[in-house]
Amino acid sequence: QVQLVQSGAEVKKPGASVKVSCTASGYTFTRFGISWVRQAPGQGLEWMGWISPYNGNTKYTQKLQGRVTMTTDTSTSTAYIELRSLRSDDTAVYYCARDLYGSGLYGMGVWGQGTTVTVSS
Amino acid sequence: EIVLTQSPGTLSLSPGERATLSCRASQIISSSYLAWYQQKPGQSPRLLIYGASSRATGIPDRFSGSGSGTDFTLTISRLEPEDFAVYYCQQYGSSPMYTFGQGTKLEIK
Repeated sequence: QVQLVQSGAEVKKPGASVKVSCTASGYTFTRFGISWVRQAPGQGLEWMGWISPYNGNTKYTQKLQGRVTMTTDTSTSTAYIELRSLRSDDTAVYYCARDLYGSGLYGMGVWGQGTTVTVSS
Repeated sequence: EIVLTQSPGTLSLSPGERATLSCRASQIISSSYLAWYQQKPGQSPRLLIYGASSRATGIPDRFSGSGSGTDFTLTISRLEPEDFAVYYCQQYGSSPMYTFGQGTKLEIK
């Protein structure tokens, strides 16, 4: 079955970087874009960005431009998000989610289980 | 940037009742690009509706979506105990690519 499996929880100090992985299975990795969405404790969903595993094209939310990088490794069907210069308000659960269809127009049909990132001194 | 405003913030209903959740966009959006998600505590979101009115695979037919322009609605015809959760609307746009509403919490009365 189609699934996305994310890496484990991380605890980081302010100013550090974190890299979270999302490994896909059950479908052709390059055919569907991957979004990253985060959720701060008790808050709503925040879209962070999107990457096409087919050609590496990315779209980032303006709020995180310059601090975030999304990449993929097609040989392992894995997507990555790296967030730099971490602050306390980056503490959140980070989700990867696959496009419902290849174009990304219709939302996110498959979600990873989430990775908790805690930023604390 | 398009802003999605969901109402009410919290909806208190009993099992068996009908739930109507609203999502209003700050600008006209294409119905094709409006989706609804359900999130239960400690779980990842789940896609319910895409294209404003198409149910995702495996979603019961008590869930329905409607609307166009700036006003969209998610209706749950007859609430089951497992339907009490937080619901988010989401739209696809040019910049940013995706925007979420702030969510409606559906709680048991």
